[in-house]
Amino acid sequence: AQSVTQLGSHVSVSEGALVLLRCNYSSSVPPYLFWYVQYPNQGLQLLLKYTSAATLVKGINGFEAEFKKSETSFHLTKPSAHMSDAAEYFCAVSVGGGADGLTFGKGTHLIIQP
Amino acid sequence: NAGVTQTPKFQVLKTGQSMTLQCAQDMNHEYMSWYRQDPGMGLRLIHYSVGAGITDQGEVPNGYNVSRSTTEDFPLRLLSAAPSQTSVYFCASRRSSGSGDTQYFGPGTRLTVL
Repeated sequence: AQSVTQLGSHVSVSEGALVLLRCNYSSSVPPYLFWYVQYPNQGLQLLLKYTSAATLVKGINGFEAEFKKSETSFHLTKPSAHMSDAAEYFCAVSVGGGADGLTFGKGTHLIIQP
Repeated sequence: NAGVTQTPKFQVLKTGQSMTLQCAQDMNHEYMSWYRQDPGMGLRLIHYSVGAGITDQGEVPNGYNVSRSTTEDFPLRLLSAAPSQTSVYFCASRRSSGSGDTQYFGPGTRLTVL
């Protein structure tokens, strides 16, 4: 079975600083990996996804993530944080061939300090 | 397209009451699913459907029933509500059962069971 670990339930950065949200996965087969963002009292919105086409994936709002098979990681980064980036971020994994839903990490709450 | 819609947005139930959470999508997606979100737990899969007439259990199915009579609708039924079912419920859909497809989420239903 697959699993996802997000390091840090809360991450605080200053406005303009680098954002780094960590995600490690466990899967016995090649995974599909996703990052979703959830703003307060809203549903989840897809930021980006990895489906084996390219290891560096660019998403919306200036975010990107790099798939590193050797490290089983899919960390999310953004060069310069904006106040509007404050939200909950979820990493999720899905494995091919079946109808299983996404397996989510527990989430990281991103706080932006002015 | 309205995407994935859910009703109601908020609901308060007493222990033992029953209710149905509605979910509809207008994207002609084959695959639909229900998740619950609890603080510090991420999202967990309750039930899913790969097409009309086909449903299956996810990670946390106990206390919930589903049916899929049409492609568009995927209601979630609570037969006898319990306080442990207090949560935020999200419905999601994706084009097919393929694990690389993007899942689209509804805005959620916040349920409180007293």
